[in-house]
Amino acid sequence: GESVGLHLPTLSVQEGDNSIINCAYSNSASDYFIWYKQESGKGPQFIIDIRSNMDKRQGQRVTVLLNKTVKHLSLQIAATQPGDSAVYFCAENINNAGNMLTFGGGTRLMVKP
Amino acid sequence: DGGITQSPKYLFRKEGQNVTLSCEQNLNHDAMYWYRQDPGQGLRLIYYSQIVNDFQKGDIAEGYSVSREKKESFPLTVTSAQKNPTAFYLCASSPRGLEQYFGPGTRLTVT
Repeated sequence: GESVGLHLPTLSVQEGDNSIINCAYSNSASDYFIWYKQESGKGPQFIIDIRSNMDKRQGQRVTVLLNKTVKHLSLQIAATQPGDSAVYFCAENINNAGNMLTFGGGTRLMVKP
Repeated sequence: DGGITQSPKYLFRKEGQNVTLSCEQNLNHDAMYWYRQDPGQGLRLIYYSQIVNDFQKGDIAEGYSVSREKKESFPLTVTSAQKNPTAFYLCASSPRGLEQYFGPGTRLTVT
């Protein structure tokens, strides 16, 4: 889910289908990850987080998977709804960077009715 | 009703003027942050504060200033030295320093 200039990667899904949004990170010292949802003109909304000692965490209709071997994070949304349409981005905390988060560029999810 | 408030939602200024963006939280969070977001891009850290009366520069602090005189408040001043001030500004706070919760944002337009 990295942005390229002004153009966000876009994922288009049919309502009711499952969505998978991906995020790659580069720092093996990252030990905490968050997924945020941002609707147009609004502040990011916390969805779910995961620590590096876990490889999976589930919330309501959402699951985050962490693959530390390939430094990959994914957000799975079950039964995607029109209200899920937004930009999703991941953030990571690097172990030796204090309480800072580094944010990815985001992926736009479009849900077709 | 707890949360993070930012005001105003939209702000218009003439080039050369300083402008202060408000951020208030009643969540009793110690840490507060200011980010800038440009169209189609991720968040970039301007300033952060882990505790009252203390703050540090983020990745893009040039042209900005902050103060943290109260735990609840972390105002950001965009000075005339900021070359490209037009952007969406987001304030966040954090209870334990990792997960951050965001306000609704202020869209600043400088002409």
